Amino acid sequence: QKEVEQNSGPLSVPEGAIASLNCTYSDRGSQSFFWYRQYSGKSPELIMSIYSNGDKEDGRFTAQLNKASQYVSLLIRDSQPSDSATYLCAVNVQGAQKLVFGQGTRLTINP
Amino acid sequence: EPEVTQTPSHQVTQMGQEVILRCVPISNHLYFYWYRQILGQKVEFLVSFYNNEISEKSEIFDDQFSVERPDGSNFTLKIRSTKLEDSAMYFCASSRDRGFGEQYFGPGTRLTVT
Repeated sequence: QKEVEQNSGPLSVPEGAIASLNCTYSDRGSQSFFWYRQYSGKSPELIMSIYSNGDKEDGRFTAQLNKASQYVSLLIRDSQPSDSATYLCAVNVQGAQKLVFGQGTRLTINP
Repeated sequence: EPEVTQTPSHQVTQMGQEVILRCVPISNHLYFYWYRQILGQKVEFLVSFYNNEISEKSEIFDDQFSVERPDGSNFTLKIRSTKLEDSAMYFCASSRDRGFGEQYFGPGTRLTVT
């Protein structure tokens, strides 16, 4: 079973701090990795994609990938109350035409 | 910015009835997907579609489900005989690139089966 695991939280972070979200995956053949943000009752919104080992930065967001450890993370700098949402890690496994999602981490930013 | 659209936003139906959920993918995207999310659970893959054919489907996507691209813009999911357990949010997604590319999700259709 190809799985994606996330800590379901809730993760509580003070406003202005760094939020760190983690994800592990089981299939070593996974090729691409995505972070989606999902507000309650809404659809997943793509915020980051990462395909190779290392860091990728986009504004306040940094995605980190370590294929050897089968680990992907998302850092949110200068956290804002509007960042409060569930963050979904999604993985595309090799040869598959689909994304496999983790259960999501609920993040709360406290003013 | 182009986006995926879905109609209706909410559909209520009785058990055993047929429903059709509609999606308009982003116009230059070639790969289309349906996912569902039961309340409080993970987003689950149902089916992927490319070049008027199903590319991949999950074990959830049984004979009660079908997909179609009836014209150049719409992409539909049909459930022939709905069950109570089909109640969920159904998301359409599209991508420009094969499998490993970024998938953009529509706002979803909330299906309630009574």
